[in-house]
Amino acid sequence: KAGVTQTPRYLIKTRGQQVTLSCSPISGHRSVSWYQQTPGQGLQFLFEYFSETQRNKGNFPGRFSGRQFSNSRSEMNVSTLELGDSALYLCASSGHESTEAFFGQGTRLTVV
Amino acid sequence: AQTVTQSQPEMSVQEAETVTLSCTYDTSENNYYLFWYKQPPSRQMILVIRQEAYKQQNATENRFSVNFQKAAKSFSLKISDSQLGDTAMYFCAFMKLNYGQNFVFGPGTRLSVLP
Repeated sequence: KAGVTQTPRYLIKTRGQQVTLSCSPISGHRSVSWYQQTPGQGLQFLFEYFSETQRNKGNFPGRFSGRQFSNSRSEMNVSTLELGDSALYLCASSGHESTEAFFGQGTRLTVV
Repeated sequence: AQTVTQSQPEMSVQEAETVTLSCTYDTSENNYYLFWYKQPPSRQMILVIRQEAYKQQNATENRFSVNFQKAAKSFSLKISDSQLGDTAMYFCAFMKLNYGQNFVFGPGTRLSVLP
């Protein structure tokens, strides 16, 4: 069974641009959640999608948004990038009513 | 809001020895899960062990075991017979029951296993 796949693995963007990250969950998993990891703030929850609906949302500005498609693949978008958005973005998927989350290897975003 | 604290930013242990990583949390919830995840240099988070708060028995997974003290809101991880492959960042995490996939992570402990 393939694991959680995140693309791209690395990304360099300029301040003010926008970026879209993709996450393909494990087959059959309907929950996808996103986390931002930085040295200063650690791991912070961004949002969770379940069956194409946002089920939970963290404390991030509206520049951070996401969506989930009918095949459970999810994308997150960050608009008007700031230097502080440089981070490792992790996504995790889980099955129905399962507490075990499987993480992808992350997308390393650098904003210059 | 829930918070998770890991008071040991870095630890080291000799190969084959035992080490304990500390975690405390704060919540007003009664039903929740606690987890330990490890993040090796490859960056991929890997589940080490999971504990349901309603279970009094401490969880064990091979060389990994926890000491769960619900009243004290403490959840420590013991690694026995440490191996070089255990070198990683270890994160303690909290999740409310029936609230979706929404982890609250601690700041992490960097564990180095020395040969």
